[in-house]
Amino acid sequence: AQKITQTQPGMFVQEKEAVTLDCTYDTSDQSYGLFWYKQPSSGEMIFLIYQGSYDEQNATEGRYSLNFQKARKSANLVISASQLGDSAMYFCAMREPAGGTSYGKLTFGQGTILTVHP
Amino acid sequence: DGGITQSPKYLFRKEGQNVTLSCEQNLNHDAMYWYRQDPGQGLRLIYYSQIVNDFQKGDIAEGYSVSREKKESFPLTVTSAQKNPTAFYLCASSQGRIGVRETQYFGPGTRLLVL
Repeated sequence: AQKITQTQPGMFVQEKEAVTLDCTYDTSDQSYGLFWYKQPSSGEMIFLIYQGSYDEQNATEGRYSLNFQKARKSANLVISASQLGDSAMYFCAMREPAGGTSYGKLTFGQGTILTVHP
Repeated sequence: DGGITQSPKYLFRKEGQNVTLSCEQNLNHDAMYWYRQDPGQGLRLIYYSQIVNDFQKGDIAEGYSVSREKKESFPLTVTSAQKNPTAFYLCASSQGRIGVRETQYFGPGTRLLVL
């Protein structure tokens, strides 16, 4: 069974500094996808970034980058130049490959609350 | 603008009452999902539908029911059999492809409270 672990319940960062949010995963599949979502206090889940297990380069999307270390089974999110609006809950998720009649399930971690201080 | 709408934003349920949460998308996505989120927790899958007129149970389907009569709509009914329904409910949709890159996009959520 798949498992996603986010070991940091809460993180603090100073505005304009970079921060790394940790995510480790466990799977026996060779093909899988890793996602990060942001959940502000309003509740909506916002897709940030995607990394495929066969992607050779780390994914980047603006100020977000994913530090993908396949051998260590980690997919840490790096936010550069933090802004006050980055304060939110962040979720790591993994999608397993579909098989037969089963769709590829998306499994979420417990989340990390990020607080950006001015 | 394309997106996912959920209504109502807040919903109150009395004991023994069934309530229905609405989810509509205009992204032309084939697949739709319902998740439950408890305070300080991740998301757990209730039901999903990969195509119209077909849906499958997720990890915590007991006490819930769904229908998928139209591509755009995937309502969730919380029945009286769900003994602890207080939670935040999120609806999501995706294109419905089988690859691992398939990205799910979420609505704004409905907060259900029991009176």
